[in-house]
Amino acid sequence: GENVEQHPSTLSVQEGDSAVIKCTYSDSASNYFPWYKQELGKRPQLIIDIRSNVGEKKDQRIAVTLNKTAKHFSLHITETQPEDSAVYFCAASGGASGGSYIPTFGRGTSLIVHP
Amino acid sequence: ETGVTQTPRHLVMGMTNKKSLKCEQHLGHNAMYWYKQSAKKPLELMFVYSLEERVENNSVPSRFSPECPNSSHLFLHLHTLQPEDSALYLCASSLEQSLGTEAFFGQGTRLTVV
Repeated sequence: GENVEQHPSTLSVQEGDSAVIKCTYSDSASNYFPWYKQELGKRPQLIIDIRSNVGEKKDQRIAVTLNKTAKHFSLHITETQPEDSAVYFCAASGGASGGSYIPTFGRGTSLIVHP
Repeated sequence: ETGVTQTPRHLVMGMTNKKSLKCEQHLGHNAMYWYKQSAKKPLELMFVYSLEERVENNSVPSRFSPECPNSSHLFLHLHTLQPEDSALYLCASSLEQSLGTEAFFGQGTRLTVV
């Protein structure tokens, strides 16, 4: 089955700095890579996603890059703000095998943005 | 509101009690999931249902018993739980298709076992 590794587990930055979170996956057939943000006491919610036919996607201050050959994808947040503080999860899913729709999540990164 | 509703939001139960968690979605999704999220731990997949059939059980103790009567509803029946079962229980739903899609999460049930 799929295995997703996520690093770092904790990331502390100053407001205005950039933050990068990296994930690797093991199943080359995976084709969908979402990122979820979970604020304290709230549910995880999708913030950006990318499919395997695209190398990069951007939405205002957040962007995701995908390297299919190396099987890794990254979340980039520029000009960080205190409200970006949360736990971020990457995930991978899709492919030809049965049960491939089930997302495999990374262990999460706790991002702390200091004012 | 993401379209996935969980009740109750908070639950305190004794180790000898029996309780049930409920999850409901009207997004037309055909796959539903239960996750356990303990403090400072990753999301742990417990059960997956596809078209009301259980397709995955990640070595979950039998004191947790899922039920999926139809594609819109999912329950987690709890009995004789242990204090270490205290956690946030999240329900999620998605489309079952080979082209992966977004999972929508409920707000979770914060469970405390005393």
